Amino acid sequence: GDSVTQMEGPVTLSEEAFLTINCTYTATGYPSLFWYVQYPGEGLQLLLKATKADDKGSNKGFEATYRKETTSFHLEKGSVQVSDSAVYFCALWVQAGTALIFGKGTTLSVSS
Amino acid sequence: GAVVSQHPSRVICKSGTSVKIECRSLDFQATTMFWYRQFPKQSLMLMATSNEGSKATYEQGVEKDKFLINHASLTLSTLTVTSAHPEDSSFYICSAGTGAIITEAFFGQGTRLTVV
Repeated sequence: GDSVTQMEGPVTLSEEAFLTINCTYTATGYPSLFWYVQYPGEGLQLLLKATKADDKGSNKGFEATYRKETTSFHLEKGSVQVSDSAVYFCALWVQAGTALIFGKGTTLSVSS
Repeated sequence: GAVVSQHPSRVICKSGTSVKIECRSLDFQATTMFWYRQFPKQSLMLMATSNEGSKATYEQGVEKDKFLINHASLTLSTLTVTSAHPEDSSFYICSAGTGAIITEAFFGQGTRLTVV
């Protein structure tokens, strides 16, 4: 079945370090891919998305490129801040009327 | 982006009582709403999918008589946890989709339920 696999956390970085959170997927057809962020005690916020192969989603310094050949959608940021500390979820959506399928989430902790 | 409002954000109830959680789409019509449950430090588990005017579709292992979902209008879905027990304590999140083509899902703020 369709699924998303994220790298295990937690990821601990110093401020201004480079961030990569790996995400790979398995899906039939041509899914849309998403990264959501969840701050402590809050709901999910869409961080970025890509709806077709080779699309690059970007927002707030974060980027991810939809790679069909490697079935990946890795999240990157060149210089993280303490305020980026949160849980990041990779997700895919396959079909109208169905729910997003989420990875297990990766906790990012950034220290100053 | 579209706004989904979920209430209450936190609720504490006594064991054996029922709790209702509301999920409203404020500026769009949500033909489909999804209810998730999140355990501490874990991912979101889909509980059920509801389409306006029809019965919800529950995921395997989710008790439909315990988690009552109503989607009576295009802007409101409710989740009622009946006869709550401490093991029902969790973070519940709703999300709404706009029509047949969902380019993204909009999420409510979540409800922290604590059953004592």
